[in-house]
Amino acid sequence: AQTVTQSQPEMSVQEAETVTLSCTYDTSENNYYLFWYKQPPSRQMILVIRQEAYKQQNATENRFSVNFQKAAKSFSLKISDSQLGDTAMYFCAFMKPMTQGGSEKLVFGKGTKLTVNP
Amino acid sequence: GAVVSQHPSWVICKSGTSVKIECRSLDFQATTMFWYRQFPKQSLMLMATSNEGSKATYEQGVEKDKFLINHASLTLSTLTVTSAHPEDSSFYICSASGRVAGVDEQFFGPGTRLTVL
Repeated sequence: AQTVTQSQPEMSVQEAETVTLSCTYDTSENNYYLFWYKQPPSRQMILVIRQEAYKQQNATENRFSVNFQKAAKSFSLKISDSQLGDTAMYFCAFMKPMTQGGSEKLVFGKGTKLTVNP
Repeated sequence: GAVVSQHPSWVICKSGTSVKIECRSLDFQATTMFWYRQFPKQSLMLMATSNEGSKATYEQGVEKDKFLINHASLTLSTLTVTSAHPEDSSFYICSASGRVAGVDEQFFGPGTRLTVL
């Protein structure tokens, strides 16, 4: 079974600074997806970034980028130029690819609460 | 982008009554939907996987007779909490799976806050 570990329950960063959230996972699969989701106080889950395991290039979405180390099973999220609106819970998640039998479930980490201070 | 709605967003009910929560994929067809439960300051806990036209698959420890799931169409799944009790009070989130630009992804509803008195 797959597991996802986020070792930082809480983190804080000053506005405009850079912060990195850690995530490690365990799987015997070779092909899979990794995601970072943001859950602000509204509790709506928002996809921040995704990475396909077969792609060596790290995914980037504006101020958000990942450091994907497949051999080390590590998938950290870097937030540059932090903004007050980045304050939220961040969840790392793992998913196997869809099969003919249907979709696979997401396996979530416990989350990291990020606070951006003015 | 893909949009998933949930209704109601907030519900209060008396102990012993049943509550139905709807999850709809508004602009795509979802063969699979997922139901999660989230306690305050915790991660999402998968309750069940719902496939259109077939019985839901429940996670270990989730009472299927307590949490009835119906996925009658490609755009609608419902979760019914039967004979609700205060311990069922929680935040319930659904998601619908789809493939966007060749990548598998789950799209989340805004959640339903259930309070059982």
